[in-house]
Amino acid sequence: DTEVTQTPKHLVMGMTNKKSLKCEQHMGHRAMYWYKQKAKKPPELMFVYSYEKLSINESVPSRFSPECPNSSLLNLHLHALQPEDSALYLCASSQPGQGSSSYGYTFGSGTRLTVV
Amino acid sequence: DAKTTQPPSMDCAEGRAANLPCNHSTISGNEYVYWYRQIHSQGPQYIIHGLKNNETNEMASLIITEDRKSSTLILPHATLRDTAVYYCIVRVNLGGGADGLTFGKGTHLIIQP
Repeated sequence: DTEVTQTPKHLVMGMTNKKSLKCEQHMGHRAMYWYKQKAKKPPELMFVYSYEKLSINESVPSRFSPECPNSSLLNLHLHALQPEDSALYLCASSQPGQGSSSYGYTFGSGTRLTVV
Repeated sequence: DAKTTQPPSMDCAEGRAANLPCNHSTISGNEYVYWYRQIHSQGPQYIIHGLKNNETNEMASLIITEDRKSSTLILPHATLRDTAVYYCIVRVNLGGGADGLTFGKGTHLIIQP
C-alpha cells in the first residue's frame, strides 16, 4: 500500500459545527503532516507529527486541533470555523531519516472543505 | 531552504518535450533539488530529485547546471495529463524528513492539443 487516504473528500459545515478530517497511511511512515491550500495558491504547512508527537505547529488558530492516535492515523478536528477557512486540506506522510528515498513525501488527494 | 524562482506559467504542445526551468542561485552544497507536481484538485506528486548529476526516471529528466544555480525539469513527450502546477523545491536531503516541504508558487504547465 503506497497511498495516503483522506476522508471525507468533500465537507460542508456551518460555523457552529464540529467536524473531523481523517488521514490514514499504511506505509510505515512515522511523520505525518497537515497542509492547507487555498485556491490558486501553493500548499501551506499547518502541523507536523513525528513519531506520534506534535513537532511543528505553524501558528495555526486553535479552532484547528490535530490528533495522532497512532502511527497510521492523523485527524484534524474542526470547531467554530470561519468562511475564510474554506480550502483544500491535504495530508502527507514521510519516513524521517530515510536517506535519499525516491518517494520523499506522499500526499493524499485532500478534503475540500466549505464553511458556510 | 534556498529560495527558488520559476516562471508562473508555460505552454507546450502535446507530444513535444516540456522544459521547465528553476533558478536556485543561493543553493548550498548539501541541498538537493526536488520536483513535485500537482494536478488540479489532487495532492502533490513526487517526480524526481537530484544533487549534482543529471537524473532520469520513468517520469522525467532533471538537468542541473554545473554551478548548481539552476535546473531544468524535462518531460520528454508531454501529454494532456501532464497539465499541472510544477514545484521546484530546494532542501537538505533528510530523506522524507520530518519538517515538511515548503512550496513556492510553481509553474502552471499547460499542454495544448
